[in-house]
Amino acid sequence: GAVVSQHPSWVICKSGTSVKIECRSLDFQATTMFWYRQFPKQSLMLMATSNEGSKATYEQGVEKDKFLINHASLTLSTLTVTSAHPEDSSFYICSARDRLGTQETQYFGPGTRLLVL
Amino acid sequence: QKEVEQNSGPLSVPEGAIASLNCTYSDRGSQSFFWYRQYSGKSPELIMFIYSNGDKEDGRFTAQLNKASQYVSLLIRDSQPSDSATYLCAGGFFQKLVFGTGTRLLVSP
Repeated sequence: GAVVSQHPSWVICKSGTSVKIECRSLDFQATTMFWYRQFPKQSLMLMATSNEGSKATYEQGVEKDKFLINHASLTLSTLTVTSAHPEDSSFYICSARDRLGTQETQYFGPGTRLLVL
Repeated sequence: QKEVEQNSGPLSVPEGAIASLNCTYSDRGSQSFFWYRQYSGKSPELIMFIYSNGDKEDGRFTAQLNKASQYVSLLIRDSQPSDSATYLCAGGFFQKLVFGTGTRLLVSP
Protein backbone atom coordinates (compact mmCIF):
# COMPACT_ATOMS: atom_id res chain seq x y z
CA GLY A 1 0.00 0.00 0.00
CA ALA A 2 0.81 3.74 -0.05
CA VAL A 3 2.33 3.78 -3.52
CA VAL A 4 3.01 7.09 -5.22
CA SER A 5 4.03 7.34 -8.85
CA GLN A 6 5.59 10.16 -10.82
CA HIS A 7 5.82 10.74 -14.53
CA PRO A 8 8.11 11.28 -16.28
CA SER A 9 11.05 9.88 -14.37
CA TRP A 10 13.44 12.13 -16.24
CA VAL A 11 13.20 14.88 -18.78
CA ILE A 12 15.64 16.92 -20.81
CA CYS A 13 14.37 20.14 -22.33
CA LYS A 14 15.59 23.33 -23.91
CA SER A 15 15.70 26.57 -21.98
CA GLY A 16 12.43 28.46 -22.21
CA THR A 17 10.15 25.46 -22.55
CA SER A 18 7.61 24.30 -19.99
CA VAL A 19 7.66 20.91 -18.35
CA LYS A 20 4.77 19.16 -16.63
CA ILE A 21 5.32 16.52 -13.95
CA GLU A 22 2.52 14.27 -12.71
CA CYS A 23 2.21 12.79 -9.25
CA ARG A 24 -0.34 10.08 -8.54
CA SER A 25 -1.33 8.19 -5.42
CA LEU A 26 -2.08 4.71 -6.73
CA ASP A 27 -3.78 2.92 -3.87
CA PHE A 28 -5.02 5.66 -1.57
CA GLN A 29 -6.66 9.05 -1.70
CA ALA A 30 -4.51 12.05 -0.93
CA THR A 31 -6.12 15.34 0.00
CA THR A 32 -2.66 16.78 0.42
CA MET A 33 0.37 16.37 -1.78
CA PHE A 34 3.73 18.02 -1.47
CA TRP A 35 6.35 19.05 -3.99
CA TYR A 36 10.01 19.03 -3.11
CA ARG A 37 13.19 19.90 -4.93
CA GLN A 38 16.57 18.40 -4.17
CA PHE A 39 19.89 19.63 -5.53
CA PRO A 40 22.93 17.34 -5.51
CA LYS A 41 24.24 16.53 -2.04
CA GLN A 42 21.56 18.67 -0.41
CA SER A 43 18.46 17.79 1.54
CA LEU A 44 14.88 17.99 0.41
CA MET A 45 13.45 21.47 0.18
CA LEU A 46 9.68 21.83 0.30
CA MET A 47 8.42 23.95 -2.56
CA ALA A 48 4.67 23.88 -2.03
CA THR A 49 1.76 22.11 -0.41
CA SER A 50 -1.00 21.09 -2.75
CA ASN A 51 -4.53 20.59 -1.46
CA GLU A 52 -7.21 18.96 -3.57
CA GLY A 53 -9.63 21.51 -4.97
CA SER A 54 -7.83 24.58 -3.69
CA LYS A 55 -4.83 26.71 -4.47
CA ALA A 56 -1.40 25.49 -3.53
CA THR A 57 0.51 27.05 -0.68
CA TYR A 58 4.04 27.99 -1.68
CA GLU A 59 7.05 28.19 0.57
CA GLN A 60 8.91 31.43 0.92
CA GLY A 61 11.12 32.14 -2.05
CA VAL A 62 9.29 29.82 -4.46
CA GLU A 63 7.75 31.63 -7.42
CA LYS A 64 4.15 30.54 -7.79
CA ASP A 65 3.94 31.84 -11.35
CA LYS A 66 6.92 29.77 -12.36
CA PHE A 67 5.96 26.56 -10.60
CA LEU A 68 2.30 25.98 -11.33
CA ILE A 69 0.59 23.35 -9.22
CA ASN A 70 -2.78 21.79 -9.88
CA HIS A 71 -4.43 19.22 -7.61
CA ALA A 72 -7.57 18.40 -9.52
CA SER A 73 -8.44 15.10 -7.87
CA LEU A 74 -7.70 13.08 -4.76
CA THR A 75 -5.13 11.02 -6.65
CA LEU A 76 -3.42 13.47 -8.99
CA SER A 77 -1.31 16.59 -8.60
CA THR A 78 0.74 18.21 -11.34
CA LEU A 79 3.71 20.55 -11.22
CA THR A 80 4.46 22.63 -14.29
CA VAL A 81 7.81 24.34 -14.51
CA THR A 82 7.16 27.26 -16.85
CA SER A 83 9.89 28.77 -19.00
CA ALA A 84 12.47 26.46 -17.53
CA HIS A 85 16.06 27.61 -17.26
CA PRO A 86 19.27 25.71 -16.51
CA GLU A 87 19.12 26.73 -12.84
CA ASP A 88 15.81 24.84 -12.59
CA SER A 89 17.64 21.60 -13.27
CA SER A 90 17.07 19.47 -10.20
CA PHE A 91 15.45 16.37 -8.78
CA TYR A 92 11.75 17.04 -8.22
CA ILE A 93 9.98 14.72 -5.81
CA CYS A 94 6.34 14.64 -4.82
CA SER A 95 4.83 13.08 -1.75
CA ALA A 96 1.31 12.33 -0.69
CA ARG A 97 -0.43 12.16 2.63
CA ASP A 98 -3.11 9.54 3.09
CA ARG A 99 -6.55 11.08 3.55
CA LEU A 100 -7.34 8.59 6.26
CA GLY A 101 -4.08 9.11 8.05
CA THR A 102 -4.04 10.94 11.34
CA GLN A 103 -0.36 11.64 11.34
CA GLU A 104 1.92 13.53 9.06
CA THR A 105 3.35 10.52 7.29
CA GLN A 106 4.24 11.26 3.71
CA TYR A 107 4.91 8.69 1.02
CA PHE A 108 7.25 9.76 -1.71
CA GLY A 109 7.12 9.24 -5.42
CA PRO A 110 10.24 8.03 -7.26
CA GLY A 111 11.14 11.55 -8.38
CA THR A 112 11.63 13.32 -11.69
CA ARG A 113 15.05 14.39 -12.77
CA LEU A 114 14.92 17.58 -14.85
CA LEU A 115 17.79 18.79 -16.97
CA VAL A 116 17.38 22.11 -18.75
CA LEU A 117 19.89 22.77 -21.48
CA GLN B 1 12.84 28.89 12.49
CA LYS B 2 12.19 25.21 12.68
CA GLU B 3 15.37 23.21 12.20
CA VAL B 4 16.38 19.61 12.20
CA GLU B 5 20.08 18.93 12.59
CA GLN B 6 22.02 15.87 11.59
CA ASN B 7 25.68 15.04 11.29
CA SER B 8 26.42 14.64 7.59
CA GLY B 9 28.88 11.80 8.18
CA PRO B 10 29.86 9.55 6.65
CA LEU B 11 29.31 7.10 9.47
CA SER B 12 31.27 3.96 8.74
CA VAL B 13 30.45 0.69 10.46
CA PRO B 14 31.45 -2.91 9.71
CA GLU B 15 28.89 -5.44 8.61
CA GLY B 16 26.99 -6.90 11.54
CA ALA B 17 27.59 -3.92 13.83
CA ILE B 18 25.03 -1.51 15.24
CA ALA B 19 24.75 1.81 13.42
CA SER B 20 23.56 4.76 15.51
CA LEU B 21 22.17 7.79 13.73
CA ASN B 22 21.27 10.94 15.62
CA CYS B 23 19.10 13.98 15.06
CA THR B 24 18.19 17.07 17.09
CA TYR B 25 15.36 19.48 16.51
CA SER B 26 14.69 23.03 17.58
CA ASP B 27 10.88 23.30 17.78
CA ARG B 28 9.28 21.79 20.86
CA GLY B 29 5.94 22.00 19.08
CA SER B 30 6.79 19.10 16.82
CA GLN B 31 4.92 15.98 17.80
CA SER B 32 6.08 13.44 15.25
CA PHE B 33 9.38 12.36 13.82
CA PHE B 34 10.27 10.29 10.82
CA TRP B 35 13.26 8.43 9.50
CA TYR B 36 13.64 8.05 5.77
CA ARG B 37 16.32 6.19 3.83
CA GLN B 38 17.52 7.58 0.53
CA TYR B 39 19.74 5.67 -1.82
CA SER B 40 21.85 7.70 -4.22
CA GLY B 41 19.74 9.01 -7.08
CA LYS B 42 16.50 7.72 -5.57
CA SER B 43 13.68 9.29 -3.60
CA PRO B 44 13.27 8.84 0.17
CA GLU B 45 11.74 5.67 1.54
CA LEU B 46 9.96 5.71 4.90
CA ILE B 47 11.60 3.50 7.52
CA MET B 48 9.57 4.39 10.57
CA PHE B 49 7.97 7.15 12.57
CA ILE B 50 7.72 7.86 16.27
CA TYR B 51 5.50 10.09 18.38
CA SER B 52 6.00 9.04 21.96
CA ASN B 53 9.00 9.29 24.22
CA GLY B 54 10.96 6.09 24.41
CA ASP B 55 11.80 3.38 21.94
CA LYS B 56 9.95 1.95 18.99
CA GLU B 57 11.23 -1.20 17.34
CA ASP B 58 10.57 -2.54 13.86
CA GLY B 59 12.72 -5.44 12.78
CA ARG B 60 16.36 -4.39 12.80
CA PHE B 61 15.43 -0.75 13.32
CA THR B 62 14.80 1.04 16.63
CA ALA B 63 13.79 4.67 16.80
CA GLN B 64 14.29 6.56 20.04
CA LEU B 65 12.67 9.85 20.99
CA ASN B 66 13.53 12.10 23.91
CA LYS B 67 11.33 15.18 23.80
CA ALA B 68 12.95 16.78 26.84
CA SER B 69 16.32 16.73 25.09
CA GLN B 70 14.77 17.31 21.64
CA TYR B 71 16.65 14.33 20.36
CA VAL B 72 15.75 11.52 17.98
CA SER B 73 17.88 8.56 17.04
CA LEU B 74 17.77 5.51 14.81
CA LEU B 75 19.59 2.31 15.62
CA ILE B 76 20.21 -0.27 12.94
CA ARG B 77 21.16 -3.67 14.29
CA ASP B 78 23.13 -6.23 12.29
CA SER B 79 24.02 -3.62 9.68
CA GLN B 80 24.28 -4.88 6.13
CA PRO B 81 26.07 -3.39 3.11
CA SER B 82 22.62 -2.83 1.61
CA ASP B 83 21.91 -0.41 4.46
CA SER B 84 24.50 1.97 3.00
CA ALA B 85 22.51 5.07 2.15
CA THR B 86 21.70 8.54 3.40
CA TYR B 87 19.31 8.59 6.34
CA LEU B 88 17.04 11.61 6.63
CA CYS B 89 15.47 12.66 9.88
CA ALA B 90 12.30 14.75 9.61
CA GLY B 91 10.11 16.52 12.11
CA GLY B 92 6.42 16.97 11.50
CA PHE B 93 5.08 20.51 11.88
CA PHE B 94 1.39 20.97 11.07
CA GLN B 95 1.23 18.58 8.10
CA LYS B 96 4.63 19.57 6.79
CA LEU B 97 7.90 17.75 7.22
CA VAL B 98 11.12 19.59 7.91
CA PHE B 99 14.11 17.50 6.88
CA GLY B 100 17.61 17.41 8.19
CA THR B 101 20.47 17.31 5.73
CA GLY B 102 20.89 13.59 6.23
CA THR B 103 23.61 11.29 7.52
CA ARG B 104 25.45 9.12 5.06
CA LEU B 105 25.95 5.57 6.36
CA LEU B 106 28.58 3.25 4.92
CA VAL B 107 28.49 -0.42 5.92
CA SER B 108 31.62 -2.27 4.91
CA PRO B 109 31.59 -6.03 4.24
